[in-house]
Amino acid sequence: AQSVTQLGSHVSVSEGALVLLRCNYSSSVPPYLFWYVQYPNQGLQLLLKYTSAATLVKGINGFEAEFKKSETSFHLTKPSAHMSDAAEYFCAVSVEGGTSYGKLTFGQGTILTVHP
Amino acid sequence: GAGVSQTPSNKVTEKGKYVELRCDPISGHTALYWYRQSLGQGPEFLIYFQGTGAADDSGLPNDRFFAVRPEGSVSTLKIQRTERGDSAVYLCASGARGSSYNEQFFGPGTRLTVL
Repeated sequence: AQSVTQLGSHVSVSEGALVLLRCNYSSSVPPYLFWYVQYPNQGLQLLLKYTSAATLVKGINGFEAEFKKSETSFHLTKPSAHMSDAAEYFCAVSVEGGTSYGKLTFGQGTILTVHP
Repeated sequence: GAGVSQTPSNKVTEKGKYVELRCDPISGHTALYWYRQSLGQGPEFLIYFQGTGAADDSGLPNDRFFAVRPEGSVSTLKIQRTERGDSAVYLCASGARGSSYNEQFFGPGTRLTVL
């Protein structure tokens, strides 16, 4: 079975500062990895995904993430935070084969606060 | 086109009552997933439909929960004899097909409160 751990349930940064949200996964087979963002009262929106092509993945809104197999990590970064980035972020893993059918296993989420 | 919609957006019920939560997926999407998100937690998988059939219901917590998708489009999650522990946001997602690398598109969720 696979699992996801997000280090830090709350992260606070200043506007313009680097955003770093940490995600570590556990999987016995090659994983597919996703970052979703959830704004209040809205559905989850896909930011980016890793599907075994390039290890550095670029997503929407200036976010990117790097898949590091040796560290079993998929941390999310953005060079310069905007106020509009304040939201909750979820890392998720999926695996191919068996009865997976693409079901996602999520981390517990990280709430990002951006202050002026 | 329209995204995934879920109704109602909020549902308050009393312990022991029966509730139905509806999901309208994106037109043409054959894969449909239900997840449950408890306060302070990430979403947890409940059930997956490919077309009309439930291909994987391993996430349903007990036999009070079941879901249907009779025509391969709209799905209804049904909860019998609700308990306070069922209070959560229930999320529906659809995808072009059930694949590990395909994007799932999420609805806004139904917030269920059991008093």
